[in-house]
Amino acid sequence: LAKTTQPISMDSYEGQEVNITCSHNNIATNDYITWYQQFPSQGPRFIIQGYKTKVTNEVASLFIPADRKSSTLSLPRVSLSDTAVYYCLVGPSGSARQLTFGSGTQLTVLP
Amino acid sequence: DTGVSQDPRHKITKRGQNVTFRCDPISEHNRLYWYRQTLGQGPEFLTYFQNEAQLEKSRLLSDRFSAERPKGSFSTLEIQRTEQGDSAMYLCASRATSAASTDTQYFGPGTRLTVL
Repeated sequence: LAKTTQPISMDSYEGQEVNITCSHNNIATNDYITWYQQFPSQGPRFIIQGYKTKVTNEVASLFIPADRKSSTLSLPRVSLSDTAVYYCLVGPSGSARQLTFGSGTQLTVLP
Repeated sequence: DTGVSQDPRHKITKRGQNVTFRCDPISEHNRLYWYRQTLGQGPEFLTYFQNEAQLEKSRLLSDRFSAERPKGSFSTLEIQRTEQGDSAMYLCASRATSAASTDTQYFGPGTRLTVL
C-alpha cells in the first residue's frame, strides 16, 4: 500500500477555505484516494474519494494533479463543527480490503 | 448516526478479566470489520468478516482475541485476560458488497476500553 504523508495539525478560522494536502509518491495505477473525517469519540466518516483531476460533493472537493503523487482536500467556508481529524487513504478500490489509516491531520477551526 | 451500533460504549475492567463487545452493522451489509484505535493514532485493522466467515486477521489479533459473527449479522469481539496495553477504542465498520468504486465503510461509535 502506498504510504501517505499529511501535516499533523492545521488551524483555521470560521468562514475560511481549508486545504489539506496529502503526499503519496508511491501511488499505484489502480489506487484511489479517499478521505475520512473523525470527530472525538466517534468512528471515522467517509468524506470523498477520487482517482484523478477533481471531485466535488456536498461536503468537500478533492483535487488530484496529473501525476497523482499528491492530493488536496478542500473544505469550503469551515465552521467550528469541522474541527476533526482528517485521514488520507490510498489503495485499490472496489475490493473487500481493510482500510489503512495514517495518523491524520488534526484540523482546529477557531472562532 | 451511521446505522452501525456498538455496545457498550465504555468498558472499564481490571487486568486479567475477560470482556466482550458487540457490533450491529447496517442490516444489508455483508462485510464487517473490527479496528482498534489508540490515542493520537488512526484506526488499525484487526479482522474482517464476509457474512459469517472470518476471512482475514491482523497480526495485532493475538490469541487472546476472538471474533465471531455467528449468523452473518451482529458480531462480537472478545478479549481474554485483558492487559493494560489493550486499552483503546474498538471500532466496528460495515460495508455492502457492491460494484461501486467507493470504499465507504460505515463506522460505529466505538467501544472505549480501559484496563486498570
